[in-house]
Amino acid sequence: GAVVSQHPSWVICKSGTSVKIECRSLDFQATTMFWYRQFPKQSLMLMATSNEGSKATYEQGVEKDKFLINHASLTLSTLTVTSAHPEDSSFYICSAREWLGVRNIQYFGAGTRLSVL
Amino acid sequence: AQKITQTQPGMFVQEKEAVTLDCTYDTSDQSYGLFWYKQPSSGEMIFLIYQGSYDEQNATEGRYSLNFQKARKSANLVISASQLGDSAMYFCAMREGPGSARQLTFGSGTQLTVLP
Repeated sequence: GAVVSQHPSWVICKSGTSVKIECRSLDFQATTMFWYRQFPKQSLMLMATSNEGSKATYEQGVEKDKFLINHASLTLSTLTVTSAHPEDSSFYICSAREWLGVRNIQYFGAGTRLSVL
Repeated sequence: AQKITQTQPGMFVQEKEAVTLDCTYDTSDQSYGLFWYKQPSSGEMIFLIYQGSYDEQNATEGRYSLNFQKARKSANLVISASQLGDSAMYFCAMREGPGSARQLTFGSGTQLTVLP
């Protein structure tokens, strides 16, 4: 299947700093990418849908100024957690959709564990 | 109402045996897609299998097969010949709409443990 690369896999930062997470589709172009957040032993919660060349669409309750998303190319989307605080500590995982006609599959990155001290 | 329901929080299976993970869904769309993903303890979400609502045959991918019963709105995952490496969290997901840009809706997951 297609490969989605996500970096870094693990980051520790001090409260008040910003953290950038990259998501790349390695062998396909992705006009649409998705960012999820997952708490321990829970399902994935969609944060935002990232569209190449346009503004991201955020889910209700997600602060767009806190979680900045940029989808500058067909293979790269970034999520920046601005002024991170301990409550932002979580597992963040990105996903990219590969279009294959009627059938399109969403592939996921390996995720980023963020710990804010 | 829950769009995707996985009623088994945890399942155990003996190595080399088959196991069925349940998934029921709720949608009024005629066109939709159903997915299963595996999430090991490392965290990555691994795509396993896809079933389109108009697919007449059940999807199969190696040891994975999807038991699609449209009238019952169920899409159970069957893993044959379980291996220790199959121990993981399994998520069922649905995308509604005909090839649209809509997002996936996930179930709550089933933690599968394969016993030696």
